[in-house]
Amino acid sequence: GQNIDQPTEMTATEGAIVQINCTYQTSGFNGLFWYQQHAGEAPTFLSYNVLDGLEEKGRFSSFLSRSKGYSYLLLKELQMKDSASYLCAVLDSNYQLIWGAGTKLIIKP
Amino acid sequence: IAGITQAPTSQILAAGRRMTLRCTQDMRHNAMYWYRQDLGLGLRLIHYSNTAGTTGKGEVPDGYSVSRANTDDFPLTLASAVPSQTSVYFCASSDSISQVNEQFFGPGTRLTVL
Repeated sequence: GQNIDQPTEMTATEGAIVQINCTYQTSGFNGLFWYQQHAGEAPTFLSYNVLDGLEEKGRFSSFLSRSKGYSYLLLKELQMKDSASYLCAVLDSNYQLIWGAGTKLIIKP
Repeated sequence: IAGITQAPTSQILAAGRRMTLRCTQDMRHNAMYWYRQDLGLGLRLIHYSNTAGTTGKGEVPDGYSVSRANTDDFPLTLASAVPSQTSVYFCASSDSISQVNEQFFGPGTRLTVL
């Protein structure tokens, strides 16, 4: 079966750094997405990785290791507005997105 | 309209009633999707459409139907609602289903079936 695992909840302090991990087992792989979802709102795109390595975009970076079936999202200089759920999703061989349940990130002052 | 709109925002529905959730996009995207989001679970694909005139079944299609008469609209119909269909429903679109493109989501419809 297809499976995406990520922690249910994480807590971090404003100004700090947090890493949200995602491991996956899917039928085929055409890339991995990270989305942000604030409570009561729609998911919005953060990043896409298809090759191994780190992609940096401002305060957010995303890393992929295809051989390990592993990705992480790194958030630096945390701000209160970063409190949200972070969704990991893998594009499988049929180009359908398989979604993880999301990681709820709580930022404390 | 900018992006994707969904209607209604929320709805309480008696079991057994028929309900259509509306979704309209103005980005001229070819592909459209319907997901449901339940607490503790990832987004699950209900139905999708590669292009106007075609539809396909996703992971959880039972009890739902869709149509794609034109590029902009992708309504989702519950023929006879059941309490297990209580969920938040998101419509999304992307430029193409066969290429790697981010999906853009509508604001969602919160549906409660009693």
